Amino acid sequence: AQTVTQSQPEMSVQEAETVTLSCTYDTSENNYYLFWYKQPPSRQMILVIRQEAYKQQNATENRFSVNFQKAAKSFSLKISDSQLGDTAMYFCAFTLTRGEYGNKLVFGAGTILRVKS
Amino acid sequence: KAGVTQTPRYLIKTRGQQVTLSCSPISGHRSVSWYQQTPGQGLQFLFEYFSETQRNKGNFPGRFSGRQFSNSRSEMNVSTLELGDSALYLCASSPRTVNTEAFFGQGTRLTVV
Repeated sequence: AQTVTQSQPEMSVQEAETVTLSCTYDTSENNYYLFWYKQPPSRQMILVIRQEAYKQQNATENRFSVNFQKAAKSFSLKISDSQLGDTAMYFCAFTLTRGEYGNKLVFGAGTILRVKS
Repeated sequence: KAGVTQTPRYLIKTRGQQVTLSCSPISGHRSVSWYQQTPGQGLQFLFEYFSETQRNKGNFPGRFSGRQFSNSRSEMNVSTLELGDSALYLCASSPRTVNTEAFFGQGTRLTVV
């Protein structure tokens, strides 16, 4: 079974600073995707960034980047130049790319990030 | 393109009743997945439908069921509601058979009293 662990229940950061959220996962499979989703108080889950396991290069989306360590099964999210609008719950998620697995996402418990002014 | 639409947004039901939640995916998306979100258990996968067929199912009792229509709209039903069914129910749609990106609706907040 696939599992995702987020060991930081809550974090806070000052506006304009950098913060890193941790995620580890467990799988015996080789082909999968990893995601970071953001859930603000509005409850709308928004995709922040995704990483294909077969790609060695770390994904980057503007102020968001990941550090993907496949051997260590680690997938951390770095947010640079933090903004008040980044305040949200962040979920790390995993899915296999085997057809029979479908579109099932396995989520971590989430990290509440508070950006302070 | 319109996003994923879930109705209703809020619902209050009494123990023992049944409830039906609806999800309209993004146009052209054939996969719809449902998740239950609670403070204690986090986000848990309920089931996924693709082209009207259930492709995958999470570890939930048979009281939880779903279906998908030919226009890809999906419904989930919970019968004999229990207090523990109170949760945010999220629907996600995907364009492909393999999840390269899931788009979520805003959820239905179900409260069972």
